[in-house]
Amino acid sequence: DAKTTQPNSMESNEEEPVHLPCNHSTISGTDYIHWYRQLPSQGPEYVIHGLTSNVNNRMASLAIAEDRKSSTLILHRATLRDAAVYYCILRDVGGGKLIFGQGTELSVKP
Amino acid sequence: DSGVTQTPKHLITATGQRVTLRCSPRSGDLSVYWYQQSLDQGLQFLIQYYNGEERAKGNILERFSAQQFPDLHSELNLSSLELGDSALYFCASSGGGQIYNEQFFGPGTRLTVL
Repeated sequence: DAKTTQPNSMESNEEEPVHLPCNHSTISGTDYIHWYRQLPSQGPEYVIHGLTSNVNNRMASLAIAEDRKSSTLILHRATLRDAAVYYCILRDVGGGKLIFGQGTELSVKP
Repeated sequence: DSGVTQTPKHLITATGQRVTLRCSPRSGDLSVYWYQQSLDQGLQFLIQYYNGEERAKGNILERFSAQQFPDLHSELNLSSLELGDSALYFCASSGGGQIYNEQFFGPGTRLTVL
């Protein structure tokens, strides 16, 4: 399974945008880029996913580099509720399982 | 609320014992996944079932087994428990065979082995 690299932790101020980077230099052509987050004392929850084009949903935006070797999860206005561990995951076209790395622990300051 | 339920919420048992964790997937979801989260190993995929059949296996110990029943609920059986099996066990479910289907996670079962 292709690996991802994320910073261990990041800090943000409330109501400011947050850009969470992820490197995946060994990504294959059939790998989708998924983001999940895990709020304290909860199970992980899906945030967004993409293949090649940038994606937006109600939670976040996903910006994917042209060579697909990196991507950035964008939270447009961080709230205290966004404090969580964010996982960037590559998911093969044929595989259902999620392979979690260490993730980025995001803290949000009021 | 993800729609995935797990019971029990907490389980405390002794080494050498056997326990069963239960998961009810979201209505209509055919796939069930089990994950283990420990402090030293992080979140690890254990096993996946799809419509009653084992679909994929991860780092699941031979002491552990799982099954998915005709009503699609799943059980994870852990036997000959060791201290190192203490962890959070999450179940997740997803819909049909589409490759990008998001997984919905339950609240987890916290297992403590004394």
